[in-house]
Amino acid sequence: DVKVTQSSRYLVKRTGEKVFLECVQDMDHENMFWYRQDPGLGLRLIYFSYDVKMKEKGDIPEGYSVSREKKERFSLILESASTNQTSMYLCASSSLGAYNEQFFGPGTRLTVL
Amino acid sequence: GIQVEQSPPDLILQEGANSTLRCNFSDSVNNLQWFHQNPWGQLINLFYIPSGTKQNGRLSATTVATERYSLLYISSSQTTDSGVYFCAVRNFGNEKLTFGTGTRLTIIP
Repeated sequence: DVKVTQSSRYLVKRTGEKVFLECVQDMDHENMFWYRQDPGLGLRLIYFSYDVKMKEKGDIPEGYSVSREKKERFSLILESASTNQTSMYLCASSSLGAYNEQFFGPGTRLTVL
Repeated sequence: GIQVEQSPPDLILQEGANSTLRCNFSDSVNNLQWFHQNPWGQLINLFYIPSGTKQNGRLSATTVATERYSLLYISSSQTTDSGVYFCAVRNFGNEKLTFGTGTRLTIIP
C-alpha cells in the first residue's frame, strides 16, 4: 500500500513565524503535491514537484515556498505565517505518466494566531 | 481550466438506503478519481476510473468519458459512509488534479 505521511496532524503558530510542513512518501513516486483546503473554496494546488530539486507553481503559490532535496520528501514552507494561511494542508504523491493515481496524506490542520 | 461539478451538494439518507453521486466535467480527461474525506480530514482513495465501470464491495463507479460524467453508487449505506465525497480529474498535459466541490453525505442510523 502507498503510504504518505505528514509531520503533524495539528499545528498552532503565531503570525510572522516560519513554518515547515513535511511530507514523506514510501512508494518511490516522482510527483509530489501540496494542496490547501478551505470551506467553500475546495482543494487548491499550491506547488508540485516532479523530481528532486524541481518545482512548479500551482494555483496559489503566493506566501509559500517548497523544498525537495530527496525524492521521498517534500516540504512546504511558510516564510512568515499570516492568519489567512490558517487552513488544512494536504500532501499527495503519484508516479509519472499520463495515467496515474494520486495518494494523499492525512493532512495538517494549521492555525495561525 | 477544466470545470468539475458535483451533485447533489448534500444528501441525507437512512442507514440501508442506496445513493448515486454525480460528477460532470467540462473537458476530456485522462484521470478521474473518487475520494471519501473522513471526519478527520483524510482523503481516502475509492476509485481510479478514467473510463468504464469498477466495483469494490458496496461501492461502484462508472465513467462515461465521451459524455464527460462519472457516477458513484453506494448501496446499503452505513453510518461510516458519512463524509464528503470528491471527484477529481486531470486532463492531458496537466499534472494537477482539479477537484469538484464535493457531496456531503450523512447517513442516519
